[in-house]
Amino acid sequence: QKEVEQNSGPLSVPEGAIASLNCTYSDRGSQSFFWYRQYSGKSPELIMSIYSNGDKEDGRFTAQLNKASQYVSLLIRDSQPSDSATYLCAVTDFGNEKLTFGTGTRLTIIP
Amino acid sequence: ETGVTQSPTHLIKTRGQQVTLRCSSQSGHNTVSWYQQALGQGPQFIFQYYREEENGRGNFPPRFSGLQFPNYSSELNVNALELDDSALYLCASSLGESGGEQYFGPGTRLTVT
Repeated sequence: QKEVEQNSGPLSVPEGAIASLNCTYSDRGSQSFFWYRQYSGKSPELIMSIYSNGDKEDGRFTAQLNKASQYVSLLIRDSQPSDSATYLCAVTDFGNEKLTFGTGTRLTIIP
Repeated sequence: ETGVTQSPTHLIKTRGQQVTLRCSSQSGHNTVSWYQQALGQGPQFIFQYYREEENGRGNFPPRFSGLQFPNYSSELNVNALELDDSALYLCASSLGESGGEQYFGPGTRLTVT
Protein backbone atom coordinates (compact mmCIF):
# COMPACT_ATOMS: atom_id res chain seq x y z
CA GLN A 1 0.00 0.00 0.00
CA LYS A 2 1.61 3.23 -1.13
CA GLU A 3 1.42 5.89 1.52
CA VAL A 4 1.92 9.60 1.75
CA GLU A 5 2.33 10.94 5.27
CA GLN A 6 1.79 14.49 6.48
CA ASN A 7 1.50 16.01 9.91
CA SER A 8 -2.18 16.96 10.19
CA GLY A 9 -1.39 20.03 12.27
CA PRO A 10 -2.71 22.53 12.93
CA LEU A 11 0.48 24.43 12.23
CA SER A 12 0.38 28.03 13.44
CA VAL A 13 2.85 30.54 11.99
CA PRO A 14 3.06 34.32 12.63
CA GLU A 15 2.39 36.58 9.70
CA GLY A 16 5.58 37.37 7.81
CA ALA A 17 7.40 34.25 9.00
CA ILE A 18 8.36 31.15 7.00
CA ALA A 19 5.90 28.24 7.05
CA SER A 20 7.47 24.81 6.54
CA LEU A 21 5.29 21.88 5.50
CA ASN A 22 6.64 18.35 5.26
CA CYS A 23 5.64 15.15 3.51
CA THR A 24 7.12 11.65 3.32
CA TYR A 25 6.20 8.90 0.87
CA SER A 26 6.68 5.17 1.02
CA ASP A 27 7.11 4.19 -2.65
CA ARG A 28 10.65 4.67 -3.99
CA GLY A 29 9.20 4.49 -7.50
CA SER A 30 7.40 7.80 -7.04
CA GLN A 31 8.36 10.21 -9.81
CA SER A 32 6.18 13.30 -9.66
CA PHE A 33 5.37 15.38 -6.60
CA PHE A 34 2.74 18.05 -6.11
CA TRP A 35 1.52 20.48 -3.51
CA TYR A 36 -2.11 21.53 -3.50
CA ARG A 37 -3.76 24.22 -1.38
CA GLN A 38 -7.34 23.65 -0.26
CA TYR A 39 -9.43 26.31 1.42
CA SER A 40 -12.28 25.12 3.61
CA GLY A 41 -15.23 24.02 1.48
CA LYS A 42 -13.30 24.44 -1.77
CA SER A 43 -11.46 22.11 -4.14
CA PRO A 44 -7.67 21.60 -4.21
CA GLU A 45 -5.64 24.15 -6.14
CA LEU A 46 -2.27 23.17 -7.61
CA ILE A 47 0.48 25.47 -6.33
CA MET A 48 3.72 23.58 -6.99
CA SER A 49 5.02 20.57 -8.90
CA ILE A 50 8.51 19.11 -8.63
CA TYR A 51 10.07 16.21 -10.50
CA SER A 52 13.77 16.14 -9.67
CA ASN A 53 15.92 16.41 -6.54
CA GLY A 54 16.61 19.87 -5.22
CA ASP A 55 14.68 23.10 -4.84
CA LYS A 56 12.10 24.73 -7.09
CA GLU A 57 11.01 28.28 -6.39
CA ASP A 58 7.87 30.08 -7.54
CA GLY A 59 7.26 33.44 -5.94
CA ARG A 60 6.92 32.99 -2.18
CA PHE A 61 6.78 29.20 -2.52
CA THR A 62 9.73 26.79 -2.59
CA ALA A 63 9.32 23.04 -3.03
CA GLN A 64 12.18 20.79 -1.95
CA LEU A 65 12.59 17.17 -3.00
CA ASN A 66 14.97 14.54 -1.60
CA LYS A 67 14.31 11.19 -3.25
CA ALA A 68 16.97 9.38 -1.24
CA SER A 69 15.14 10.30 1.97
CA GLN A 70 11.70 10.02 0.31
CA TYR A 71 10.88 13.48 1.53
CA VAL A 72 9.27 16.52 -0.05
CA SER A 73 8.62 19.85 1.60
CA LEU A 74 7.00 23.19 0.89
CA LEU A 75 8.28 26.48 2.26
CA ILE A 76 6.10 29.58 2.24
CA ARG A 77 8.03 32.81 2.78
CA ASP A 78 6.51 36.02 4.13
CA SER A 79 3.38 34.12 5.20
CA GLN A 80 0.09 35.97 4.77
CA PRO A 81 -3.29 35.37 6.43
CA SER A 82 -4.56 34.33 2.98
CA ASP A 83 -2.14 31.38 3.12
CA SER A 84 -4.28 29.85 5.90
CA ALA A 85 -5.56 26.63 4.35
CA THR A 86 -4.97 22.87 4.24
CA TYR A 87 -1.96 21.87 2.19
CA LEU A 88 -2.09 18.50 0.46
CA CYS A 89 0.97 16.61 -0.71
CA ALA A 90 0.45 14.24 -3.66
CA VAL A 91 2.68 11.85 -5.60
CA THR A 92 2.47 9.74 -8.76
CA ASP A 93 4.61 6.93 -10.11
CA PHE A 94 6.13 6.80 -13.57
CA GLY A 95 3.43 5.58 -15.92
CA ASN A 96 0.89 5.67 -13.11
CA GLU A 97 -2.15 7.76 -13.63
CA LYS A 98 -3.34 8.38 -10.12
CA LEU A 99 -2.44 10.99 -7.56
CA THR A 100 -1.91 9.53 -4.08
CA PHE A 101 -2.61 12.18 -1.47
CA GLY A 102 -1.66 12.67 2.13
CA THR A 103 -4.34 13.71 4.59
CA GLY A 104 -3.12 17.31 4.49
CA THR A 105 -1.63 19.79 6.95
CA ARG A 106 -3.84 22.58 8.24
CA LEU A 107 -1.89 25.86 8.30
CA THR A 108 -3.01 28.94 10.19
CA ILE A 109 -1.22 32.26 9.74
CA ILE A 110 -1.59 34.44 12.83
CA PRO A 111 -1.82 38.20 12.12
CA GLU B 1 -8.83 29.43 -21.27
CA THR B 2 -11.79 27.66 -19.67
CA GLY B 3 -11.16 25.85 -16.39
CA VAL B 4 -12.63 22.58 -15.16
CA THR B 5 -16.35 22.75 -14.44
CA GLN B 6 -18.57 20.31 -12.57
CA SER B 7 -22.30 19.92 -12.09
CA PRO B 8 -24.27 19.88 -9.97
CA THR B 9 -22.68 21.76 -7.07
CA HIS B 10 -24.66 19.98 -4.40
CA LEU B 11 -26.84 16.89 -4.45
CA ILE B 12 -28.93 15.05 -1.87
CA LYS B 13 -29.89 11.44 -2.57
CA THR B 14 -31.46 8.58 -0.68
CA ARG B 15 -29.67 5.31 0.03
CA GLY B 16 -30.15 2.86 -2.84
CA GLN B 17 -30.64 5.54 -5.49
CA GLN B 18 -28.36 6.22 -8.44
CA VAL B 19 -26.53 9.46 -9.24
CA THR B 20 -24.70 10.94 -12.23
CA LEU B 21 -22.09 13.66 -11.82
CA ARG B 22 -20.68 15.63 -14.74
CA CYS B 23 -17.37 17.25 -15.55
CA SER B 24 -16.03 19.36 -18.39
CA SER B 25 -12.26 19.32 -18.72
CA GLN B 26 -10.05 22.37 -19.11
CA SER B 27 -9.66 23.41 -22.73
CA GLY B 28 -6.80 21.51 -24.39
CA HIS B 29 -6.85 18.67 -21.84
CA ASN B 30 -7.71 15.13 -22.93
CA THR B 31 -7.58 13.29 -19.60
CA VAL B 32 -10.09 13.32 -16.76
CA SER B 33 -9.61 11.77 -13.33
CA TRP B 34 -12.23 11.40 -10.61
CA TYR B 35 -11.54 11.51 -6.88
CA GLN B 36 -13.64 11.10 -3.74
CA GLN B 37 -12.79 13.24 -0.73
CA ALA B 38 -14.32 12.41 2.64
CA LEU B 39 -14.29 15.05 5.35
CA GLY B 40 -10.84 15.53 6.85
CA GLN B 41 -9.17 13.21 4.35
CA GLY B 42 -7.15 13.60 1.19
CA PRO B 43 -8.81 12.84 -2.14
CA GLN B 44 -8.96 9.14 -3.09
CA PHE B 45 -8.52 8.13 -6.74
CA ILE B 46 -11.60 6.53 -8.31
CA PHE B 47 -10.57 6.21 -11.98
CA GLN B 48 -9.14 8.05 -14.95
CA TYR B 49 -10.27 8.38 -18.56
CA TYR B 50 -7.87 9.08 -21.40
CA ARG B 51 -9.21 9.49 -24.92
CA GLU B 52 -12.53 7.89 -23.95
CA GLU B 53 -10.95 4.76 -22.43
CA GLU B 54 -10.60 3.91 -18.73
CA ASN B 55 -6.91 4.31 -17.91
CA GLY B 56 -6.63 3.07 -14.36
CA ARG B 57 -8.94 2.48 -11.45
CA GLY B 58 -8.61 2.83 -7.70
CA ASN B 59 -10.03 0.65 -4.97
CA PHE B 60 -13.69 1.38 -5.60
CA PRO B 61 -16.46 -1.17 -6.26
CA PRO B 62 -18.00 -1.69 -9.73
CA ARG B 63 -21.06 0.35 -8.79
CA PHE B 64 -18.78 3.33 -9.47
CA SER B 65 -18.57 3.69 -13.24
CA GLY B 66 -17.75 6.39 -15.71
CA LEU B 67 -17.65 7.63 -19.25
CA GLN B 68 -15.63 10.06 -21.28
CA PHE B 69 -17.10 11.69 -24.37
CA PRO B 70 -15.38 12.75 -27.63
CA ASN B 71 -15.16 16.35 -26.36
CA TYR B 72 -13.29 14.94 -23.28
CA SER B 73 -16.07 15.76 -20.85
CA SER B 74 -16.87 12.97 -18.42
CA GLU B 75 -19.53 11.45 -16.20
CA LEU B 76 -19.26 9.57 -12.92
CA ASN B 77 -22.14 7.24 -12.14
CA VAL B 78 -22.73 5.67 -8.76
CA ASN B 79 -25.40 2.99 -8.35
CA ALA B 80 -27.01 1.67 -5.17
CA LEU B 81 -25.88 4.62 -3.10
CA GLU B 82 -24.68 3.95 0.44
CA LEU B 83 -24.40 6.37 3.36
CA ASP B 84 -20.58 6.18 3.12
CA ASP B 85 -20.74 7.57 -0.41
CA SER B 86 -21.42 10.98 1.10
CA ALA B 87 -18.37 13.02 0.12
CA LEU B 88 -16.98 15.71 -2.13
CA TYR B 89 -16.50 14.31 -5.64
CA LEU B 90 -13.71 15.97 -7.55
CA CYS B 91 -12.92 15.91 -11.22
CA ALA B 92 -9.41 16.78 -12.40
CA SER B 93 -8.23 17.33 -15.93
CA SER B 94 -4.74 16.97 -17.36
CA LEU B 95 -2.90 16.60 -20.63
CA GLY B 96 -1.57 13.13 -21.42
CA GLU B 97 -1.80 9.75 -19.82
CA SER B 98 0.22 9.98 -16.65
CA GLY B 99 2.44 11.95 -14.36
CA GLY B 100 1.26 15.35 -15.45
CA GLU B 101 -0.24 18.18 -13.48
CA GLN B 102 -3.91 17.69 -12.67
CA TYR B 103 -6.25 20.64 -12.21
CA PHE B 104 -9.38 20.23 -10.15
CA GLY B 105 -12.88 21.47 -10.71
CA PRO B 106 -14.97 22.96 -7.90
CA GLY B 107 -16.41 19.57 -6.93
CA THR B 108 -19.85 18.13 -6.28
CA ARG B 109 -20.94 17.70 -2.68
CA LEU B 110 -23.03 14.52 -2.46
CA THR B 111 -25.07 13.76 0.63
CA VAL B 112 -26.72 10.35 0.96
CA THR B 113 -29.47 10.06 3.55
